[in-house]
Amino acid sequence: AQTVTQSQPEMSVQEAETVTLSCTYDTSESDYYLFWYKQPPSRQMILVIRQEAYKQQNATENRFSVNFQKAAKSFSLKISDSQLGDAAMYFCAYRGPLGGGYQKVTFGTGTKLQVIP
Amino acid sequence: DTGVSQNPRHKITKRGQNVTFRCDPISEHNRLYWYRQTLGQGPEFLTYFQNEAQLEKSRLLSDRFSAERPKGSFSTLEIQRTEQGDSAMYLCASSLKPGETQYFGPGTRLLVL
Repeated sequence: AQTVTQSQPEMSVQEAETVTLSCTYDTSESDYYLFWYKQPPSRQMILVIRQEAYKQQNATENRFSVNFQKAAKSFSLKISDSQLGDAAMYFCAYRGPLGGGYQKVTFGTGTKLQVIP
Repeated sequence: DTGVSQNPRHKITKRGQNVTFRCDPISEHNRLYWYRQTLGQGPEFLTYFQNEAQLEKSRLLSDRFSAERPKGSFSTLEIQRTEQGDSAMYLCASSLKPGETQYFGPGTRLLVL
């Protein structure tokens, strides 16, 4: 079974600084999808960034970028120029390949990010 | 595009009562998912619909749980004979095609007393 591990329950970063959230996963598949979702307090979960395993290039969305290491099964999220609005719970998530009946997304336990003014 | 909506947002019930939640996916999204999230944990998959067909169910979905999507649009999740362990946030998500990103609703927070 696929598992997603986030070993940092809480992280803090100074406003305008850079922070990296870690994620590792376990799968026997070669084609899959990885995601980072953000869940602000009492607000709904939103997609931050998505990576297809077949793409070697790391995904980037404005201040958010990933370091995808397929061989190591590692998928970290880097937030540059942190803002107060970045404070939230961040979930790393995995989805299996298309056509394999893998529709569910498997989530990690989350990392709570605090941004210090 | 108004996003995924869920109703009610909060539900308090007594143990043993039945509850029903509704999810309205993003229009034209034919795939709909239910997840459960307990405090301090990530969401856990419950079930998945493609149009009106329920194609996948987690072992977490006991026989007290039933989900429907009768016309391939909105979906309902019913919990019968609620237990205190059912207290959680119930999240709904939808996507347009396989491999597409799942977009989440705000969730229904259930408290069973």
